[in-house]
Amino acid sequence: EVQLVESGGGLVQPGGSLRLSCAASGFTLSSYSMNWVRQAPGKGLEWISYIGATGSTIFYADSVKGRFTISRDTAKSSLYLQMNSLRAEDTAVYYCTRDKIGYWLGPLDVWGKGTTVTVSS
Amino acid sequence: QSALTQPASVSGSPGQSITISCSGTSSDVGGYDYVSWYQQYPGKAPKLMIYDVTKRPSGASNRFSGSKSGNTASLTISGLQAEDEASYYCCSYASGSTLVFGGGTQLTVL
Repeated sequence: EVQLVESGGGLVQPGGSLRLSCAASGFTLSSYSMNWVRQAPGKGLEWISYIGATGSTIFYADSVKGRFTISRDTAKSSLYLQMNSLRAEDTAVYYCTRDKIGYWLGPLDVWGKGTTVTVSS
Repeated sequence: QSALTQPASVSGSPGQSITISCSGTSSDVGGYDYVSWYQQYPGKAPKLMIYDVTKRPSGASNRFSGSKSGNTASLTISGLQAEDEASYYCCSYASGSTLVFGGGTQLTVL
């Protein structure tokens, strides 16, 4: 079964850091580009970052550029999101998502269940 | 990059058809045939329903269809069923190598 499982969310103070992980199973992660998408409480979806299949191409939304870093480890079949200088507005459920094979930057055909990040003092 | 514009809510009766619009600009919806639609139930992850404006992935009901005219994309659900009650989000590739989502539309089946 194709699956993405996020972990690493939690409560962090403003200005703090957190590292999210996403474990992929049921498919070969190295063949797919991946994205992180977040959803603030009661709000819509927001794309925040992309990494190509080889890891050499990376994009960020302006809202997180310079603060968040996306990476991947093929050997561990995992995707990561290092989040620094966190702000209250970063509070959201963070989803790990997969691009449909042969595509980049969408469509997002597989989603994890999400991990919740809360930034509060 | 500004979010795409969707109506906050739409409603319809079982068996009817409804259409959800998604308005953007020539830098996103109008400039590329890379519009996708996602269905999301409360507390659940989104599910891909339409991609490349009109294509349906395996597992998505054939009651769902997509179209585009100019800077506006649309999702049509025919033969409305109670299980279609959910939030729907459009999404488009945008210039500058980003993805932009709509604000979401809550569908109520009366």
